[in-house]
Amino acid sequence: KQEVTQIPAALSVPEGENLVLNCSFTDSAIYNLQWFRQDPGKGLTSLLLIQSSQREQTSGRLNASLDKSSGRSTLYIAASQPGDSATYLCAMRGNNNDMRFGAGTRLTVKP
Amino acid sequence: DGGITQSPKYLFRKEGQNVTLSCEQNLNHDAMYWYRQDPGQGLRLIYYSQIVNDFQKGDIAEGYSVSREKKESFPLTVTSAQKNPTAFYLCASHRDRTEAFFGQGTRLTVV
Repeated sequence: KQEVTQIPAALSVPEGENLVLNCSFTDSAIYNLQWFRQDPGKGLTSLLLIQSSQREQTSGRLNASLDKSSGRSTLYIAASQPGDSATYLCAMRGNNNDMRFGAGTRLTVKP
Repeated sequence: DGGITQSPKYLFRKEGQNVTLSCEQNLNHDAMYWYRQDPGQGLRLIYYSQIVNDFQKGDIAEGYSVSREKKESFPLTVTSAQKNPTAFYLCASHRDRTEAFFGQGTRLTVV
């Protein structure tokens, strides 16, 4: 069974700072990896999807990378804004289509 | 417009009662998932289905049941055997290698 770990559990930064969120997984036989954002009491919003054959994906100020050999993915957020405050979750999809999540990183961006 | 609809948004269950949470999608997605989220924690996989009339247990299936009679619908029943059902329940779906999308969740409370 795939185990997914996210570090740090919580992060607080001043506005404008660049930051990196980490996601590690135990089984390199992944199908793809997806990063989500969750606001309190809400569902999940998809941010980026990286297929197992890809190394990274970019969308606006967000960049996600994938290193299957080391079992790691990172989400880079450039020039953080207070509106980026949320919980960020990574999800690994295995080859049998199961999709498992890390516990998330709770991000606070202070004005 | 297309999306995933979960209903109801809030649900109250008495001790010993079975309740059914609805998840409907009009995205023509083959795969559907149910997750449970407890306060301050990540998502835990309950059940998932890759095609109609087929589904697999996730990590915490005990006390839950599902059906997949139609492609669009994947209802989750929380049975009386689930001793601690109070949680936030999330449904997701995707097609093939594409990104997964989530509904807005159902908050279940035992009264």
